[in-house]
Amino acid sequence: EAQVTQNPRYLITVTGKKLTVTCSQNMNHEYMSWYRQDPGLGLRQIYYSMNVEVTDKGDVPEGYKVSRKEKRNFPLILESPSPNQTSLYFCASSLKGEYNEQFFGPGTRLTVL
Amino acid sequence: AQSVAQPEDQVNVAEGNPLTVKCTYSVSGNPYLFWYVQYPNRGLQFLLKYITGDNLVKGSYGFEAEFNKSQTSFHLKKPSALVSDSALYFCAVPEEGYSTLTFGKGTMLLVSP
Repeated sequence: EAQVTQNPRYLITVTGKKLTVTCSQNMNHEYMSWYRQDPGLGLRQIYYSMNVEVTDKGDVPEGYKVSRKEKRNFPLILESPSPNQTSLYFCASSLKGEYNEQFFGPGTRLTVL
Repeated sequence: AQSVAQPEDQVNVAEGNPLTVKCTYSVSGNPYLFWYVQYPNRGLQFLLKYITGDNLVKGSYGFEAEFNKSQTSFHLKKPSALVSDSALYFCAVPEEGYSTLTFGKGTMLLVSP
């Protein structure tokens, strides 16, 4: 089944404790992206990657890191999480091109205490 | 920058009645426009897209959208609403070069029995 998977689905952590949210897709998509969803703000892009070893900042990159060592994986790293990073996070992937729809993972709900 | 606006935070409709969820856009050049749906505790799912050609686009679950260039709108419609259509709906437009997908704030659709 074609899908985007994220782990963990839920995470409660404390300020400053490094964490990684994994994202993997099995559709051989070149493009991958991370979003955060907050009430009243919709979805905002954190980072995106057009291909392996190619990553770039989105609208809200501060406090996050990403890497794209393999085509299928695009982990999101929070080196020192803070409470304002409490949010619902989505990974997405698609073929290249503005006309292609994105496939979204199920989401990761992160709480930083 | 490309942008979309969803003027309604919430739309209420009775089951069996037609529904419309509004979206207006501001883009340079020819627009690519998308609708996504988010069911409770789920990731976003692609519904339909406009690339070019026929102004009436048909999508998943009986939804359709009408592209109107003169009114810069791309409203989502369904002839007969179901309770199971209750969800959060997002309109979206890609940036040129596909660096990002910009989402509207979302419209909550509530279909009452």
